Amino acid sequence: SAVISQKPSRDICQRGTSLTIQCQVDSQVTMMFWYRQQPGQSLTLIATANQGSEATYESGFVIDKFPISRPNLTFSTLTVSNMSPEDSSIYLCSVEGAGGINEQFFGPGTRLTVL
Amino acid sequence: AQKITQTQPGMFVQEKEAVTLDCTYDTSDQSYGLFWYKQPSSGEMIFLIYQGSYDEQNATEGRYSLNFQKARKSANLVISASQLGDSAMYFCAMREGRNSGGYQKVTFGIGTKLQVIP
Repeated sequence: SAVISQKPSRDICQRGTSLTIQCQVDSQVTMMFWYRQQPGQSLTLIATANQGSEATYESGFVIDKFPISRPNLTFSTLTVSNMSPEDSSIYLCSVEGAGGINEQFFGPGTRLTVL
Repeated sequence: AQKITQTQPGMFVQEKEAVTLDCTYDTSDQSYGLFWYKQPSSGEMIFLIYQGSYDEQNATEGRYSLNFQKARKSANLVISASQLGDSAMYFCAMREGRNSGGYQKVTFGIGTKLQVIP
């Protein structure tokens, strides 16, 4: 199994500022996924980060708003830029199970509130 | 069309009783995987059970079982002997396809809120 940690666990931010969320995995993984869960909603995939290449963004999400870094096989960051109250969500980092493990592992999430 | 459909926004079940949470899915892929996750109020996503599209047996994990009906594209979660700690949101999800980046995307349903009554 994969153990995923995220920092910060929660934050309250002012409109117009940016927040960088860190995701650390205890094993090397090829793909890291970033999800957003708006209040009372389901999880929506923001982008997929592959080490050594540009992240792949889903429809409705753009790099200028959600820049992602993937400097190595165990770490990634997601930045939420120029925040507005609509960005208030839980942001979750996720990886696939390796070696035939059929599970999508999730970090504990970062609970963001934008005032 | 919705990839994952969960038609029950909320469910109640008496403690110690069994409950079925519905999930239907839509895909043209032959190879796909179906997941159920539990999300308590703390927000963490807890993996419960997985069913592969080629698995002939229904998946079981302790008190959780997945009623997989492939022809009907149905993957209902059955929780037996409900406990108060089972009160949470439950999400059905599907992993399918490979995009240009070579990865399979996991899509989630809108969830069902389960409340266990003492």
